Amino acid sequence: ETGVTQTPRHLVMGMTNKKSLKCEQHLGHNAMYWYKQSAKKPLELMFVYNFKEQTENNSVPSRFSPECPNSSHLFLHLHTLQPEDSALYLCASSYRFNNEQFFGPGTRLTVL
Amino acid sequence: TQLLEQSPQFLSIQEGENLTVYCNSSSVFSSLQWYRQEPGEGPVLLVTVVTGGEVKKLKRLTFQFGDARKDSSLHITAAQPGDTGLYLCAGDLGLGAGGTSYGKLTFGQGTILTVHP
Repeated sequence: ETGVTQTPRHLVMGMTNKKSLKCEQHLGHNAMYWYKQSAKKPLELMFVYNFKEQTENNSVPSRFSPECPNSSHLFLHLHTLQPEDSALYLCASSYRFNNEQFFGPGTRLTVL
Repeated sequence: TQLLEQSPQFLSIQEGENLTVYCNSSSVFSSLQWYRQEPGEGPVLLVTVVTGGEVKKLKRLTFQFGDARKDSSLHITAAQPGDTGLYLCAGDLGLGAGGTSYGKLTFGQGTILTVHP
């Protein structure tokens, strides 16, 4: 499998649930990113990891918890989310901080 | 206030027409990228422009970076239904010592293009 993959593609969860989003890249990149895409709003950068180290937390609420165990995998742990957190969550990767980022297909999250 | 203003937000045209999408900012970017996103998918990189005044062509798509590196345009000639999608511009401010990019892209709101057969 090539490129950037994300699972699950769709997720519906209640406000009290705990779930995780997974991202995997097969491009040999060293930087990985989480973005949030909501209707009528620009893509919002959430977190940046470079060589497994978090280098950016763009004022994201603590109910979103990222984890990067290695350069190929990135997780986003979710707990006690709010309905306004419903959005498309996109993962991207790049070779170091080469700014050409390659995106996964996203996870469509709905919080009830 | 958006750092990157993209216009128009919506564009509905007939097959064969030409169109231009604009991306404007008061900030200077070290580079600017254009992406295309289809429903249910992530953005796909079309082009990166890095030099002021640079023009790049990708088949019927022509991308231009402004001389001052504050704006960019995407022109599509003879649009086809397959061009339908969300077009996003994203700028890299390239902050840091030596202009090193921190990988922080700032995205415009996007232009939803619909090309009717």
